[in-house]
Amino acid sequence: DAKTTQPNSMESNEEEPVHLPCNHSTISGTDYIHWYRQLPSQGPEYVIHGLTSNVNNRMASLAIAEDRKSSTLILHRATLRDAAVYYCILRDGDYGQNFVFGPGTRLSVLP
Amino acid sequence: GAVVSQHPSRVICKSGTSVKIECRSLDFQATTMFWYRQFPKQSLMLMATSNEGSKATYEQGVEKDKFLINHASLTLSTLTVTSAHPEDSSFYICSARGDFRDEKLFFGSGTQLSVL
Repeated sequence: DAKTTQPNSMESNEEEPVHLPCNHSTISGTDYIHWYRQLPSQGPEYVIHGLTSNVNNRMASLAIAEDRKSSTLILHRATLRDAAVYYCILRDGDYGQNFVFGPGTRLSVLP
Repeated sequence: GAVVSQHPSRVICKSGTSVKIECRSLDFQATTMFWYRQFPKQSLMLMATSNEGSKATYEQGVEKDKFLINHASLTLSTLTVTSAHPEDSSFYICSARGDFRDEKLFFGSGTQLSVL
């Protein structure tokens, strides 16, 4: 699986938007971009995923660069419950089975 | 969304004993399940991949005789840590996926194993 790089940590104020970046310069044409997050002492949970077009769901938005070498997870209004480690993962849509987790970004939300 | 149930959530055992962790897909058939371990402040590390009815595939460096994985049905996979030692203390997490084409993984809530 291609590698991703994310900042180790980020901070946000409550009720403000948060933009979490992810670089994946070696992405292949069949790689999907996935985002998961892990709250303390819990298993990861799915946030969003996409291939080429920007995606929106009730949790977040995913903005994918035109060359697909980077993407940004957008939380529109951060809450204290959004404090977690956010993982950006590439998964080969044709052949990939498992998800390889990098270090992720630890998001702190300040009240 | 799909639910993966993992039990127990926490277990404390004596060194030398074996511990079994269960992972169940509650509302879908999981053809593939993954087992991860996670040390404090670190990311998840894949231990093994199991497909229903076949032997698990272990990642390099993971002892298959120590971490026994059974995926006997489409809704249940178990991880048994045999002859546990303090260095096996970790957070163990399972995940499941139905069809190969499923894009999402669903994760259990994790099991914190402490070996005394």
